[in-house]
Amino acid sequence: NAGVMQNPRHLVRRRGQEARLRCSPMKGHSHVYWYRQLPEEGLKFMVYLQKENIIDESGMPKERFSAEFPKEGPSILRIQQVVRGDSAAYFCASSFRDTDGDGYTFGSGTRLTVV
Amino acid sequence: SQQGEEDPQALSIQEGENATMNCSYKTSINNLQWYRQNSGRGLVHLILIRSNEREKHSGRLRVTLDTSKKSSSLLITASRAADTASYFCATVKGSNYKLTFGKGTLLTVNP
Repeated sequence: NAGVMQNPRHLVRRRGQEARLRCSPMKGHSHVYWYRQLPEEGLKFMVYLQKENIIDESGMPKERFSAEFPKEGPSILRIQQVVRGDSAAYFCASSFRDTDGDGYTFGSGTRLTVV
Repeated sequence: SQQGEEDPQALSIQEGENATMNCSYKTSINNLQWYRQNSGRGLVHLILIRSNEREKHSGRLRVTLDTSKKSSSLLITASRAADTASYFCATVKGSNYKLTFGKGTLLTVNP
């Protein structure tokens, strides 16, 4: 009965490389949310996905960032051509249903460092 | 802009004392939640309080909500060294699923 699984836990990329962050929701959860936490900051909403659908990507930077949640497999947050400012902790949460914020379960996060 | 703002930014107390953290927000909300984050780790959901509730308890945690003042407080009684962590409040507006987090309070409980 694993919780939300994120991998890798730590990721180091050089400027200009691509970063792929994975999130496997809790069993039975079909709603996935990505949040970003910059150093010394609270978390900020990035994107909300259901299986094969992006529901709300209002928090995603317009360029270089994309997310998907395919029918099979984990949700992927992809950052192309990373820059130093992308260094942050990226958290994924999942829920069983469309929720008003209740019932979220967060993963342990992926800490991305861009060198 | 940040919806929730925690106060104080940092709090240091002795084991056994009570810790009180406050959160203020700007617009009307559906619910307010408190989370704990240990250093370098993920978020742990502590408690949720809805806009029509004034107080909730969970173990050593007590949360209050004052919608007229747009503020909430989290009280941890009889603190332990293991309570050392950052504590965040997060608000939800309407039936929206988005959590809007504050910057957190860093609580240090000294043994």
